[in-house]
Amino acid sequence: AQSVSQHNHHVILSEAASLELGCNYSYGGTVNLFWYVQYPGQHLQLLLKYFSGDPLVKGIKGFEAEFIKSKFSFNLRKPSVQWSDTAEYFCAVKYNNNDMRFGAGTRLTVKP
Amino acid sequence: KAGVTQTPRYLIKTRGQQVTLSCSPISGHRSVSWYQQTPGQGLQFLFEYFSETQRNKGNFPGRFSGRQFSNSRSEMNVSTLELGDSALYLCASGRGLAGVSDIQYFGAGTRLSVL
Repeated sequence: AQSVSQHNHHVILSEAASLELGCNYSYGGTVNLFWYVQYPGQHLQLLLKYFSGDPLVKGIKGFEAEFIKSKFSFNLRKPSVQWSDTAEYFCAVKYNNNDMRFGAGTRLTVKP
Repeated sequence: KAGVTQTPRYLIKTRGQQVTLSCSPISGHRSVSWYQQTPGQGLQFLFEYFSETQRNKGNFPGRFSGRQFSNSRSEMNVSTLELGDSALYLCASGRGLAGVSDIQYFGAGTRLSVL
């Protein structure tokens, strides 16, 4: 079955620390990859996406993600987090049959 | 343009009742997907509708059903509610064109509490 795994359930960092959140998905041919963010009390918003081309994609607010096809991974990174990055982050994969699957989410807490 | 609109925002029901949730997609979007969000489980896919037809379905019991109207608005129904159905139900819309890269845009959700 198609599935998405996020390695970390809860990550706690201090401001200015670097961030990397892991995401792996089950093989399913051609995929579209996404990271969504849900700030406290707000709805899910798209952070960045990968459709094709350069496997290193840049999103909003200084986030980036790298697609490594051989590892079925799409890890999210940010060199220096801010308190305002405190949120829940979801990795999502859209398979070729239009099936969209989300990971369980990673809660990020950034201490000021 | 207006985003994805879900109504109502909050619902309180008792076990055994049924409930209907509504979702109006972004204008021009023909695909509507429904998800159940619970703490620790993330978003679990319920189903996707495209042009009034259910195109994909997740692993939920038959108590969960949906439909889509000709104007792309969608409703989700849950019959014989159970305590475990308490969750945030999210709706997402997209162009839904097969084989074409697509983005889903989410509504604010309907928070259902089953007592």
